[in-house]
Amino acid sequence: KAGVTQTPRYLIKTRGQQVTLSCSPISGHRSVSWYQQTPGQGLQFLFEYFSETQRNKGNFPGRFSGRQFSNSRSEMNVSTLELGDSALYLCASSWTSGSTDTQYFGPGTRLTVL
Amino acid sequence: GQSLEQPSEVTAVEGAIVQINCTYQTSGFYGLSWYQQHDGGAPTFLSYNALDGLEETGRFSSFLSRSDSYGYLLLQELQMKDSASYFCAVRDTGGFKTIFGAGTRLFVKA
Repeated sequence: KAGVTQTPRYLIKTRGQQVTLSCSPISGHRSVSWYQQTPGQGLQFLFEYFSETQRNKGNFPGRFSGRQFSNSRSEMNVSTLELGDSALYLCASSWTSGSTDTQYFGPGTRLTVL
Repeated sequence: GQSLEQPSEVTAVEGAIVQINCTYQTSGFYGLSWYQQHDGGAPTFLSYNALDGLEETGRFSSFLSRSDSYGYLLLQELQMKDSASYFCAVRDTGGFKTIFGAGTRLFVKA
């Protein structure tokens, strides 16, 4: 069974631009979560989606948005990019949004903002 | 707020045993998970404690004490390939999100 895939793997943008990242979960998984990872900060929670509904959102500005499609694929969008948005963006999928569901991570998208 | 504290770095010798601690402050959570991430790779699930006590999975064991708001990951018979970052995480009962610690970088020396 294919794992979680994320596209693109690497992205270079300039300040003020916007970017869309894509995540395809493991087949059958209906929950997708997004995280921002920066050195020394661990994984910061961005959003969690289940069956096209955003279940929760982390403490990020409104420039960060996301959505989930009927096939469980998810996208996140960052508008008006800032230098501080440079990070590794990880998505993770699980069967449901249950309490004990293990999360399976994709390889991430490395975003560099110049 | 909710937070998980881990040491930033731990160094150990090949073949030894190392313990990575995780202390947490959270109003409620379902259980404590541990993930491993090698440089340039994705985090991968290692272990989960729903209840207090020790869970063993091969060379890795994990422990949880809710009364002490504390858990740890124990790695035995360390190998060079265990050099990686290790994250503890909790699934928040108050909402649909998982909270991760900042991670512990483990260096295994020959």
